[in-house]
Amino acid sequence: ETGVTQTPRHLVMGMTNKKSLKCEQHLGHNAMYWYKQSAKKPLELMFVYNFKEQTENNSVPSRFSPECPNSSHLFLHLHTLQPEDSALYLCASSQAMKGQYNEKLFFGSGTQLSVL
Amino acid sequence: LAKTTQPISMDSYEGQEVNITCSHNNIATNDYITWYQQFPSQGPRFIIQGYKTKVTNEVASLFIPADRKSSTLSLPRVSLSDTAVYYCLVGDIASGTYKYIFGTGTRLKVLA
Repeated sequence: ETGVTQTPRHLVMGMTNKKSLKCEQHLGHNAMYWYKQSAKKPLELMFVYNFKEQTENNSVPSRFSPECPNSSHLFLHLHTLQPEDSALYLCASSQAMKGQYNEKLFFGSGTQLSVL
Repeated sequence: LAKTTQPISMDSYEGQEVNITCSHNNIATNDYITWYQQFPSQGPRFIIQGYKTKVTNEVASLFIPADRKSSTLSLPRVSLSDTAVYYCLVGDIASGTYKYIFGTGTRLKVLA
């Protein structure tokens, strides 16, 4: 148990569906991240939130829409996805401190998404 | 942008010591070096972090030479359960945002 909980663990959706992934961290951290990991590929950073403000959007298509209502919760809203979006979606959190660069990322177990 | 280079894969036998070296020629002065372990269908897990010289914890050791352009993760007496992908990370500052970019990692296979 890392203190970062992701739901659901598995999700199957059609290309016309709308679904949301949820992430909750119980560590008191102030930064949260979404990563995508396709089969046999490295993790790709998608979004970064520091203190609830989005500070990074790594050229992610608009069919992925993040939401960070508070520092403990992070959502990824999905709509009109493509089959190539099938992947493991990982949420992480860290304690970001200005001027310090030794943050440790704590990951959830991920949501395995299949788009049919 | 800081970038890391690691061997794609390594094989080892149970009980052996495994050393995985990571190259990070463009590491910035403030960057720490952090290693993560990932099992299939799970999120990466923090193993060890260091800035210079040597760091040791209950799981691994991390050796960092004076120029900090590389680092070596050392796993003592590996077991089958150490089969995983190991990632070396350094911080990456771009556009004023500090973020972590994962490379391809090293796929370690421990054989009986």
